Amino acid sequence: DAMVIQNPRYQVTQFGKPVTLSCSQTLNHNVMYWYQQKSSQAPKLLFHYYDKDFNNEADTPDNFQSRRPNTSFCFLDIRSPGLGDAAMYLCATSIGTLNTEAFFGQGTRLTVV
Amino acid sequence: LAKTTQPISMDSYEGQEVNITCSHNNIATNDYITWYQQFPSQGPRFIIQGYKTKVTNEVASLFIPADRKSSTLSLPRVSLSDTAVYYCLVGLTGGGNKLTFGTGTQLKVEL
Repeated sequence: DAMVIQNPRYQVTQFGKPVTLSCSQTLNHNVMYWYQQKSSQAPKLLFHYYDKDFNNEADTPDNFQSRRPNTSFCFLDIRSPGLGDAAMYLCATSIGTLNTEAFFGQGTRLTVV
Repeated sequence: LAKTTQPISMDSYEGQEVNITCSHNNIATNDYITWYQQFPSQGPRFIIQGYKTKVTNEVASLFIPADRKSSTLSLPRVSLSDTAVYYCLVGLTGGGNKLTFGTGTQLKVEL
């Protein structure tokens, strides 16, 4: 059974129209991560939560926001998607202690038209 | 976090052993070394993690020399299904710390 679930798998949005991607986990992990991955590139960390503590990467555009209303759910909001925001968005979780692995969802492929 | 350097790509044939080396010259005392595998259109998957010497699991082995400035992921007898991108990560995993990916190594296995 999937432990990190991302919905939807594929999302098409219009240029400039706000879009929200969702991630849920059944692992009760403390840490949740959001990554952006473009074609033939490595995943790029956007931000992560340790419990309710939000950690934003310095180069994450202001256009990207995140919410974590509870342990199980985390959302990625793109306020005004541009063509350059088309990518795979990956959610991951980890327990939050040393020597633990991260679990990734299948990702959401975002297309901006 | 310690920066990592890996070969961009490697080619192999089925049944061969593949060794992918990662350099991490400025690894810190508390850093662990973790390898992930990623297939196209899927999220990365944990393969193996170690701190020093050798670690082995059902999938791979990880060799870490005494100075810990590099590590080698060893995949025994690869098959076509091992064609993927392999990422070496160095740093504190979890604990609220960043999980940052380097460029990765594209492994292509052929018949």
